Amino acid sequence: EAQVTQNPRYLITVTGKKLTVTCSQNMNHEYMSWYRQDPGLGLRQIYYSMNVEVTDKGDVPEGYKVSRKEKRNFPLILESPSPNQTSLYFCASSPGPWGETQYFGPGTRLLVL
Amino acid sequence: QKEVEQDPGPLSVPEGAIVSLNCTYSNSAFQYFMWYRQYSRKGPELLMYTYSSGNKEDGRFTAQVDKSSKYISLFIRDSQPSDSATYLCAPNSGNTPLVFGKGTRLSVIA
Repeated sequence: EAQVTQNPRYLITVTGKKLTVTCSQNMNHEYMSWYRQDPGLGLRQIYYSMNVEVTDKGDVPEGYKVSRKEKRNFPLILESPSPNQTSLYFCASSPGPWGETQYFGPGTRLLVL
Repeated sequence: QKEVEQDPGPLSVPEGAIVSLNCTYSNSAFQYFMWYRQYSRKGPELLMYTYSSGNKEDGRFTAQVDKSSKYISLFIRDSQPSDSATYLCAPNSGNTPLVFGKGTRLSVIA
């Protein structure tokens, strides 16, 4: 089944404790993105990648890191999480440029205490 | 002016009603127009995709684009409780990352 998977789905952590949210897609897509979704603010892009080893900042990159060492994986790293990073995170992939359909993962709900 | 504006609702309608969801945008370079549907506790999924101006129909759903007024609409006919979800518009030029509207939460009451 073609899909985007994220792990973990739910995470509670404390301020400053490094964490990684994994994202993997099995559709051989070139483009991958991370978004956060917050009430009243909608879906905002954090980082994106157009190919292996090619990443760029989205609208809200502060406090996040990403890497794209393999085509299928695009992990999101929070080096020192803070409470304002409490949010719902989505990974997405698409086969090509931005006019193409984005396929979203199921989401990761993060609570930073 | 924000790049994409969408009334967040919530919008509550009785089953069978015609629903109209709308977005406005500011970038005249946008030529791809997408609507995503997001059920509670799920990721968004593509519902409708339109290129350039005009209408596109898919079953009970019609997407309409008016590039002259930078206005996009999604119509749902004979709405069903299963249509209850948040609908996000995402107009795009094809060359830059997607910008989503904030989404309109729709509830269809049986």
